[in-house]
Amino acid sequence: DTEVTQTPKHLVMGMTNKKSLKCEQHMGHRAMYWYKQKAKKPPELMFVYSYEKLSINESVPSRFSPECPNSSLLNLHLHALQPEDSALYLCASSQLGLAVTDTQYFGPGTRLTVL
Amino acid sequence: KNEVEQSPQNLTAQEGEFITINCSYSVGISALHWLQQHPGGGIVSLFMLSSGKKKHGRLIATINIQEKHSSLHITASHPRDSAVYICAVRSEGYGGSQGNLIFGKGTKLSVKP
Repeated sequence: DTEVTQTPKHLVMGMTNKKSLKCEQHMGHRAMYWYKQKAKKPPELMFVYSYEKLSINESVPSRFSPECPNSSLLNLHLHALQPEDSALYLCASSQLGLAVTDTQYFGPGTRLTVL
Repeated sequence: KNEVEQSPQNLTAQEGEFITINCSYSVGISALHWLQQHPGGGIVSLFMLSSGKKKHGRLIATINIQEKHSSLHITASHPRDSAVYICAVRSEGYGGSQGNLIFGKGTKLSVKP
């Protein structure tokens, strides 16, 4: 199984809502990533978890809250988002995180619209 | 100036043509990735290179570490190759961003039948 799955595929939420994005992989990877991608732009790294611990937070606003409950799951909790947060949110995983030979496997993304 | 530059930004080709997409970078790297993103979002990792050349089917990727340049070639292009191709480098810097991917802006390829 070389797949990273993300749910939901699409999400529309209001600025006062609380929602969560989910990501799952069963490849035994110990590093998991959240990226944000705006239209026609490359992905921007948000968070990196390594061995279920948050290792990198790229100055992301606190309205985005990541959680890694176990080595296969990664959540992104959303609260009080702004319309400019509308984007494609991509999850990825890799075996170790920083090894030269590490390839990141990407999920299909969740397309988020904030009204 | 971006640390990873791709050219061209947009590319239209006829089915069967040989295609080249270029990537130049200005930072020290430990590896370079070529990624493919289809409309709708999902990203697929095509190659990871740290030297030389790799081939997979109709795709060939090369890297010249001295010149800080990589190319992705597609032979006998097909409409299903239409996608955005993204070059990303794994930096060898220090600190919190060590080893993270730095992405180019992508090249949008359209292959016409």
